[in-house]
Amino acid sequence: GENVEQHPSTLSVQEGDSAVIKCTYSDSASNYFPWYKQELGKRPQLIIDIRSNVGEKKDQRIAVTLNKTAKHFSLHITETQPEDSAVYFCAATRALNSGGGADGLTFGKGTHLIIQP
Amino acid sequence: AAGVIQSPRHLIKEKRETATLKCYPIPRHDTVYWYQQGPGQDPQFLISFYEKMQSDKGSIPDRFSAQQFSDYHSELNMSSLELGDSALYFCASSLEGQGTGELFFGEGSRLTVL
Repeated sequence: GENVEQHPSTLSVQEGDSAVIKCTYSDSASNYFPWYKQELGKRPQLIIDIRSNVGEKKDQRIAVTLNKTAKHFSLHITETQPEDSAVYFCAATRALNSGGGADGLTFGKGTHLIIQP
Repeated sequence: AAGVIQSPRHLIKEKRETATLKCYPIPRHDTVYWYQQGPGQDPQFLISFYEKMQSDKGSIPDRFSAQQFSDYHSELNMSSLELGDSALYFCASSLEGQGTGELFFGEGSRLTVL
């Protein structure tokens, strides 16, 4: 099955600086890579996702890059703000399988992002 | 917009008891997933259903079972509860027919086993 490694487990950055979180995956058949933000006791919230036919995607201060050859993808947050403080999870799945059906997401262990004022 | 509805939001049980969690997906979503998240852990995939049929199976214990009904709501049944079953249980839904892969999570059901 899929295995997702995520680094670092904790990341502390100054407000206004950039933050980068990296993930690797093992299953070359995985084709969908979402990133979730989760605050304590709350549900995971999708912040950005990328599919295997795209190398980079950006949404305002958030960007994700994907290297299929190396099987790794990264989350980039620029101009960090205090409200960015949370746990961030990367995930991978073969969501877009041609036969229909619904493969579950495999999550990384999470990165606790701390924005220092 | 309608979201994924989970009930109950909080549940306290004793060891060896049973518990049932319910999930109502976003209208017209055809796929439901169940995840278990222990304290400080990442969400662990348990099981999924597509068009009322089991689609994928993750780390769901044999003591747990689930199904998706004709109205697409799903129930997770947990028996012989153990202390280690204490966790947040998330249900998520998606529209697999579109093939987007995007999951929408419910608020979660917090199960405490004493």
